[in-house]
Amino acid sequence: EDQVTQSPEALRLQEGESSSLNCSYTVSGLRGLFWYRQDPGKGPEFLFTLYSAGEEKEKERLKATLTKKESFLHITAPKPEDSATYLCAVQAGGSYIPTFGRGTSLIVHP
Amino acid sequence: KAGVTQTPRYLIKTRGQQVTLSCSPISGHRSVSWYQQTPGQGLQFLFEYFSETQRNKGNFPGRFSGRQFSNSRSEMNVSTLELGDSALYLCASSTSGREDTQYFGPGTRLTVL
Repeated sequence: EDQVTQSPEALRLQEGESSSLNCSYTVSGLRGLFWYRQDPGKGPEFLFTLYSAGEEKEKERLKATLTKKESFLHITAPKPEDSATYLCAVQAGGSYIPTFGRGTSLIVHP
Repeated sequence: KAGVTQTPRYLIKTRGQQVTLSCSPISGHRSVSWYQQTPGQGLQFLFEYFSETQRNKGNFPGRFSGRQFSNSRSEMNVSTLELGDSALYLCASSTSGREDTQYFGPGTRLTVL
């Protein structure tokens, strides 16, 4: 069974304190790994798609990287508005239905 | 380009009732997927429709059903509501539902009393 595990479950940072969120997966035949940001009571907002090990993508203070077993979402000098739950999802094998992790709840204190 | 829209945004029902939720995908997107999100279970896949046909189905009881119209708009129906059906129901659309990125709507918050 495909597994997607995100860690930590919750993370508190001070404004400007850089950190990384982890998404590890055990799947056969990765097709794509997706990162989303979700604010309370809202739908997930697409951030990145990564397709192969070694790939990296950046957007403002966020940078996503991918290896054969995990992905990292690096947050550089975060601001309070970066506070949200970050979800990763994996599409693999013969199924095109993404499997979502449980998310990391990030709080950035001013 | 307008995003995915869902109506209604909030809904309160009582046990035993049924409910219909609506989703309008991004223009040009033919795949619509539905998810249930709860604090305890996270995001769980309900079903996916493509060109008016259900292409994939998650592990939910038959009380949950859906359909897609020729303009790609989709509806999902939950009959005989239970307390445990209280959740955020999310709709996501993509171009073909294959290796495309899914774009989510704002969700419908369903509360069952």
